[in-house]
Amino acid sequence: SQELEQSPQSLIVQEGKNLTINCTSSKTLYGLYWYKQKYGEGLIFLMMLQKGGEEKSHEKITAKLDEKKQQSSLHITASQPSHAGIYLCGADISEYGNKLVFGAGTILRVKS
Amino acid sequence: SQTIHQWPATLVQPVGSPLSLECTVEGTSNPNLYWYRQAAGRGLQLLFYSVGIGQISSEVPQNLSASRPQDRQFILSSKKLLLSDSGFYLCAWSRMGRQPQHFGDGTRLSIL
Repeated sequence: SQELEQSPQSLIVQEGKNLTINCTSSKTLYGLYWYKQKYGEGLIFLMMLQKGGEEKSHEKITAKLDEKKQQSSLHITASQPSHAGIYLCGADISEYGNKLVFGAGTILRVKS
Repeated sequence: SQTIHQWPATLVQPVGSPLSLECTVEGTSNPNLYWYRQAAGRGLQLLFYSVGIGQISSEVPQNLSASRPQDRQFILSSKKLLLSDSGFYLCAWSRMGRQPQHFGDGTRLSIL
């Protein structure tokens, strides 16, 4: 979606290294959702951010929302092979909260 | 707990044949329901969403239609498939309001 730009498109990191994925919206963000997908499977919900400056963590994954910049980042600390997959951000840009637009995704490979 | 079932997992259909993909949700009532298509290397495109029985919103003009005959059942259909209908179809549900969407395992549709 042109409304939601995700970068980088792909990423190869050495196991144990940190990495960051960014998601930028061209429209007002009412909410930002991060998902992980393994190829050929459904999306697994990771985290939801709704307020400017909000930060959430789950295990070694941290997501932040910069409401002013209309941007979110997903940071993985000490990456592991289990982190490999496709990460997608989804943005709630509607007033009514009924639907999301998604970024094209970031393919993450972790080399052991 | 809530679960979402989507079938079939894979489908190979000839051009011009009809299509019916089914999605059901268990463990919740009056969910919002969604159909997405994911093309290779691209993000998710919202096709249809529904906030209640018989209420369908179409996001893009296309060869497909959706129906919601029961509260927790969502069906994606086509009378005559086109080659361009190939892709990975995902069903999702959410509670009302700004809530995360939860996805099924997807259907890989190949048109020959």
